[in-house]
Amino acid sequence: ETGVTQTPRHLVMGMTNKKSLKCEQHLGHNAMYWYKQSAKKPLELMFVYSLEERVENNSVPSRFSPECPNSSHLFLHLHTLQPEDSALYLCASSQGSRENYGYTFGSGTRLTVV
Amino acid sequence: AQSVTQPDIHITVSEGASLELRCNYSYGATPYLFWYVQSPGQGLQLLLKYFSGDTLVQGIKGFEAEFKRSQSSFNLRKPSVHWSDAAEYFCAVGVIGQFYFGTGTSLTVIP
Repeated sequence: ETGVTQTPRHLVMGMTNKKSLKCEQHLGHNAMYWYKQSAKKPLELMFVYSLEERVENNSVPSRFSPECPNSSHLFLHLHTLQPEDSALYLCASSQGSRENYGYTFGSGTRLTVV
Repeated sequence: AQSVTQPDIHITVSEGASLELRCNYSYGATPYLFWYVQSPGQGLQLLLKYFSGDTLVQGIKGFEAEFKRSQSSFNLRKPSVHWSDAAEYFCAVGVIGQFYFGTGTSLTVIP
């Protein structure tokens, strides 16, 4: 247990479905992140939230919609995904600036789009 | 542009042998340096980090890393590898406002 909890651990969804990934941290961190990890590709930073405000959106398609209702929770809402969106989605948090402190990661949600 | 290079995509070592994973970075000043480990189906776990001071950093699970400014390197070492060390290892660099991961080195441990 790292202090960052992601649910569900595995998700299979059709291209017309709507689902949400959930991330929760009780470490007192003030920044939260979504990363995408695909096979044989570098980690891709998707979204950055600092103090509940989105501060980075790295050219992510609109079929991915993040939500940060408070400093402890982060969601990734999914709709009309494509098969190439199948990947491990990692949530992370950091105390202060990530470049100084690094990340604490959750265990990820393995997403398969069929 | 800043970059992190892990030149070895895959390494195989025997259990009990020593290990060194290479990491080089490209940045004008000394960045913050990190090593993470990812076991299959899991997220990334921080092994160790370097900010300043002693260039030899001790981490969890018996790992250590040495920062060499002249070589822009931050190599990860372990004197005796255990089968449970089989995983993916990521070097990372923190610079002003940004964080960069290397592409990872996959470690296989054979009995």
